[in-house]
Amino acid sequence: GEKVEQHESTLSVREGDSAVINCTYTDTASSYFPWYKQEAGKSLHFVIDIRSNVDRKQSQRLIVLLDKKAKRFSLHITATQPEDSAIYFCAARRTGYQNFYFGKGTSLTVIP
Amino acid sequence: EAAVTQSPRSKVAVTGGKVTLSCHQTNNHDYMYWYRQDTGHGLRLIHYSYVADSTEKGDIPDGYKASRPSQENFSLILELASLSQTAVYFCASRHWGGWAETLYFGSGTRLTVL
Repeated sequence: GEKVEQHESTLSVREGDSAVINCTYTDTASSYFPWYKQEAGKSLHFVIDIRSNVDRKQSQRLIVLLDKKAKRFSLHITATQPEDSAIYFCAARRTGYQNFYFGKGTSLTVIP
Repeated sequence: EAAVTQSPRSKVAVTGGKVTLSCHQTNNHDYMYWYRQDTGHGLRLIHYSYVADSTEKGDIPDGYKASRPSQENFSLILELASLSQTAVYFCASRHWGGWAETLYFGSGTRLTVL
C-alpha cells in the first residue's frame, strides 16, 4: 500500500519566519493530499489540501506545493505566528480508495 | 459545523478485558473511520465503514472489531484487550462524492491497557 514519509519530526522557527514541512509518497496513483493540524491535547483538523491536477495551492499564509514527478509535497507556512505551533500531519489518498495514509507528524514550534 | 463525538474520552482497561469505544456523528456523512495514533507512527487505519451494517478492514484490523448499526454510530470493539493496544483512538467521518474529501475527527479516546 501507500507509504507517506514526513521528513521533519520537529521544526523550530522564529515568529515571522517561514516554516516548510516536506512529505513524500510512494503510490503514483495517489491523487489527493491533505494536511491536518493537531494542537496540544486536541484533535486533528483540516488546514489545506491539494489535488494532483494542480501543483500549487494557497490559502492565506499556507501554501502547498506538489511535485508529482518526485512524489513529493510540502506545506509552507509564511509569516509564522505562535498559534501555528502544533503537530502537522500530511496524508495521501489514492483515487478510488477510501483510506487516507498519514505521515508520522511534524511538531512545529514557533518561537516568539 | 460538522460534529463527531467520541466516548469515553479516556479509559483504563485490564488485559484480556473487553473494551468498546463509541463514535457518533451528526454530519450525515457516509464514511466513518477508526484510526489509532501512536507516537512515531502517525495515524493508522483500523476499520472503516461507508454504510450502516457494513464495515471494512483497514491496515491494522487484527485484535479489533467494528460495528456500524446506523449511519450516525460507529463502534470499535476490543474483545480481548492487550498491552499493545494502548494508544489514542480517533474516529472520523467524511462525506462521499464530489469534491468533499475532508475528514472530520472526534476529540479522541485515550486507552490505557494494564
